Amino acid sequence: AQSVTQLGSHVSVSEGALVLLRCNYSSSVPPYLFWYVQYPNQGLQLLLKYTTGATLVKGINGFEAEFKKSETSFHLTKPSAHMSDAAEYFCAVSPYNQGGKLIFGQGTELSVKP
Amino acid sequence: NAGVTQTPKFRILKIGQSMTLQCAQDMNHNYMYWYRQDPGMGLKLIYYSVGAGITDKGEVPNGYNVSRSTTEDFPLRLELAAPSQTSVYFCASRKGAEYNEQFFGPGTRLTVL
Repeated sequence: AQSVTQLGSHVSVSEGALVLLRCNYSSSVPPYLFWYVQYPNQGLQLLLKYTTGATLVKGINGFEAEFKKSETSFHLTKPSAHMSDAAEYFCAVSPYNQGGKLIFGQGTELSVKP
Repeated sequence: NAGVTQTPKFRILKIGQSMTLQCAQDMNHNYMYWYRQDPGMGLKLIYYSVGAGITDKGEVPNGYNVSRSTTEDFPLRLELAAPSQTSVYFCASRKGAEYNEQFFGPGTRLTVL
C-alpha cells in the first residue's frame, strides 16, 4: 500500500526565513502529488499539485514544490515566511486509477516567529 | 456557489447513540469523499462515491455507512457511536480527472463520551 511520510510534525521558522517542509512517498509508479494547507478550524485548501511535465510547480501564496522521482520526494518551499503562513500542511498522493482517493501524510504544523 | 457544506459543526454523542453527518455540494461534482482527521495522523478515507447510487469503502469504513441518492448529497451515518469515533470529519468533492483538486468542507467535530 502506498504511504506518505512528512518529516517533522512541527516546524518553526522566523518571519522572513526559508520554509522547507519535507514529503516522501512510497510508490514505484509516481502518483499525482498534492500539498494542502489547513488554517485553524477550517477545511483543507489546495496549495499546489504535480501531475506531469515540469517538476517544479508553483502554487498560491508564494509556495512551490519540486518533484524528484529518484528521491520519491515532493518537498514544499517558500523563500520568505510570513506570519500568515502559520498553519498545518499536508502532503497527499493520488495513486493512478483509484478513483482520485487521496492518501495523506500525517501533517506538519508550521509556526512563524516574529 | 456555497461549495461543500457540512452540518452540524459540532456534536457530542453518548456511547451507543447514532447520528448522521450531512454533506452537500452545489458544484455538480460526481466524486465525493468522507475523511476523518485525528491528531498526528493526517486524514484517513472512510467512504467515497463516484456518482449517485455508487459508493465504496475507503481505508477505515468500520462503524460507518453512507448513501448517495443524489449528486449533491453524501451523508455519513454513525451507528452505535464509540469513543474511537471521536474525530473531525471532512467531506470533499471533485469533478473529472483523478488529478483534479478535491474541495473540502469546513468539517464536523464529533465527540463521543
